[in-house]
Amino acid sequence: GAGVSQSPSNKVTEKGKDVELRCDPISGHTALYWYRQSLGQGLEFLIYFQGNSAPDKSGLPSDRFSAERTGGSVSTLTIQRTQQEDSAVYLCASSWTRTGELFFGEGSRLTVL
Amino acid sequence: SQELEQSPQSLIVQEGKNLTINCTSSKTLYGLYWYKQKYGEGLIFLMMLQKGGEEKSHEKITAKLDEKKQQSSLHITASQPSHAGIYLCGADKPSDGLTFGKGTHLIIQP
Repeated sequence: GAGVSQSPSNKVTEKGKDVELRCDPISGHTALYWYRQSLGQGLEFLIYFQGNSAPDKSGLPSDRFSAERTGGSVSTLTIQRTQQEDSAVYLCASSWTRTGELFFGEGSRLTVL
Repeated sequence: SQELEQSPQSLIVQEGKNLTINCTSSKTLYGLYWYKQKYGEGLIFLMMLQKGGEEKSHEKITAKLDEKKQQSSLHITASQPSHAGIYLCGADKPSDGLTFGKGTHLIIQP
C-alpha cells in the first residue's frame, strides 16, 4: 500500500497475556519507529530501527517489551505478560532516512482488561 | 534525554482568531518538527525547521525556530474548525530517535 500499515487496529486482551503488534512500513523506508500514546498524552518513544544497525531500544519501558524488524521491512512489537498500564495506542512510523518527515500509521489500540 | 515542553497544554479559540503554540527544548535542537493529529487519527507532518531563525509557512500556519535553536512557535492565522486537533512538536538528535512533546490540544469554537 501507499502508507504505513498497522495491525490489528484494535486489540483487547486479558492481563497477563502476550500480544503482538505489526507494522508494515512504506516500501524503501530505512527508518522505523514505534511510539506509544496513552489517553490524553503525547507520544512516548519506544524503539527505533535504522537499516541494518542495532536498534535504539532506549525507550522500551520494561523487559516485557521487545521489537524486531525482519529483512529491514516489517516490524513486530511484542508485549509479554501485559499489564493494564500497557493500554494505549501504539503508533508506528517510517521515513527514508533517520531525519526528515515521518509517515505514521493509524495505530493499534491496545486495551488490557 | 531531550525534554520538550509545549505550551499551552490546551487552547480554546474562537473561529477566526489567531493563536500561537510554543515548544521549548532544554537542549539545542538539531531539527524541529511540527505534526498535527486529528482526534482518533494518525499524525500528519506539517513542517520541519533546522536552521536558527528559520521560518516556514503553509497556508495559514507559520512555524519559526529561534536563533538559539531552543524554541519554536507555531502560529495559526484566522483559525478554522479544520485546525482543531493535537499539535505535537518533535525534536531530532543525532544519537536518539525522534522524540515528541506532550502536545497542545486545540479546540476551535464556531
